[in-house]
Amino acid sequence: DQQVKQNSPSLSVQEGRISILNCDYTNSMFDYFLWYKKYPAEGPTFLISISSIKDKNEDGRFTVFLNKSAKHLSLHIVPSQPGDSAVYFCAAGGSQGNLIFGKGTKLSVKP
Amino acid sequence: DTEVTQTPKHLVMGMTNKKSLKCEQHMGHRAMYWYKQKAKKPPELMFVYSYEKLSINESVPSRFSPECPNSSLLNLHLHALQPEDSALYLCASSQDYFPLADLYNEQFFGPGTRLTVL
Repeated sequence: DQQVKQNSPSLSVQEGRISILNCDYTNSMFDYFLWYKKYPAEGPTFLISISSIKDKNEDGRFTVFLNKSAKHLSLHIVPSQPGDSAVYFCAAGGSQGNLIFGKGTKLSVKP
Repeated sequence: DTEVTQTPKHLVMGMTNKKSLKCEQHMGHRAMYWYKQKAKKPPELMFVYSYEKLSINESVPSRFSPECPNSSLLNLHLHALQPEDSALYLCASSQDYFPLADLYNEQFFGPGTRLTVL
């Protein structure tokens, strides 16, 4: 059973608009959540994280929102740029220290 | 230095070969990880080392043998692999294995080794 789900395998957005990537989880014991960005043939690159005690974290164009009651988090990218085109992985972690990844969402930002 | 390096970048090996993947970090991290990633799939955890000791083995076949010679290095020894083992092998490190207070267990990933088993 998947503990971290990214239900949209792909998303296409126009340059300058907002990209919203969604992630759902089932385990209420997760302590923190992270978003990674991955280009082909490269390792994932950390983007932004949020602790389970917060509901929002912002870093430049990237904002992550956490809704604990709905077990849902989202990554907002505003404004979207063509260089943002990549696969975005949501990951969740708890006291065990390892990460559980979602299957990823491929974002395409069109000029 | 906030980098995790992996060598080689690409590796092609036969099913009877013995080879090793190497990973190095100089961030003072005490936890290191091996992940396997197949195309269009998320990374799958294989092993976790904490303070140079194996903490987690996610039921990985014995043809994969990890080794942590010191706190900066992590190796993955490969022997008698199968073609289905072809994948991107990612190494990662984090400050600690058990998160403390508000410290996130942010994992820094290397670029990976693209392994092809013929």
